[in-house]
Amino acid sequence: DIQLTQSPSSLSASVGDRVTITCRASQGIGNDLGWYQHKPGKAPKRLIYSASSLQSGVPSRFSGSGSGTEFTLTISSLQPEDFATYYCLQHKSFPMYTFGQGTKLE
Amino acid sequence: QVQLVQSGAEVRKPGSSVRVSCKASGGTFSSNGINWVRQAPGQGLEWMGGIFAMFDSTNYAQKFRGRLTISADKSTGTAYMELRSLRPEDTAVYYCARDSAPGYFDYWGQGTLVTVSS
Repeated sequence: DIQLTQSPSSLSASVGDRVTITCRASQGIGNDLGWYQHKPGKAPKRLIYSASSLQSGVPSRFSGSGSGTEFTLTISSLQPEDFATYYCLQHKSFPMYTFGQGTKLE
Repeated sequence: QVQLVQSGAEVRKPGSSVRVSCKASGGTFSSNGINWVRQAPGQGLEWMGGIFAMFDSTNYAQKFRGRLTISADKSTGTAYMELRSLRPEDTAVYYCARDSAPGYFDYWGQGTLVTVSS
């Protein structure tokens, strides 16, 4: 199975900060990676697909980059509603999937 | 509007099994995959496996092979997740989620808490 390693596992930040989360794959996955935001009591929501494409309706302060084995999610100016846990998800091995272990933004 | 409605919370003893259902409405059940994702207390999301009902095709994460069975009843639009030989570390909220495209989990069930305790 393809493994995804996210860092950091938690991140303390303030409103207005620029935040970057990294996801590393155990083998090359091209750009078959998305980023999800998960808030307690709600369904996870995809923010980014194909490593760098913004999901419709998602604010432009979210961006993704990378390909192969290293990927990043950047929030350019943190807003109060962005405090959540973020996960990368690979689908190179579709229909098998792997989530990263998550990054809690607090 | 697509809805995935899961069965209620379960309590099981170690070594037993649990089956959780996920009933889909408002969409074409067989045309999409249904996946099972769990979240243990204080832990992250973990993909367990999935089924594409149209072809009766299932896939499982290596960690769960031999202990997990995912099935679907196309006539009722319901997917099932059965986990056997339960251990306390299987205590988690279990979610079903539809993937309408590779990597796109667009609809999720409300989650089912499974507690494994003696």
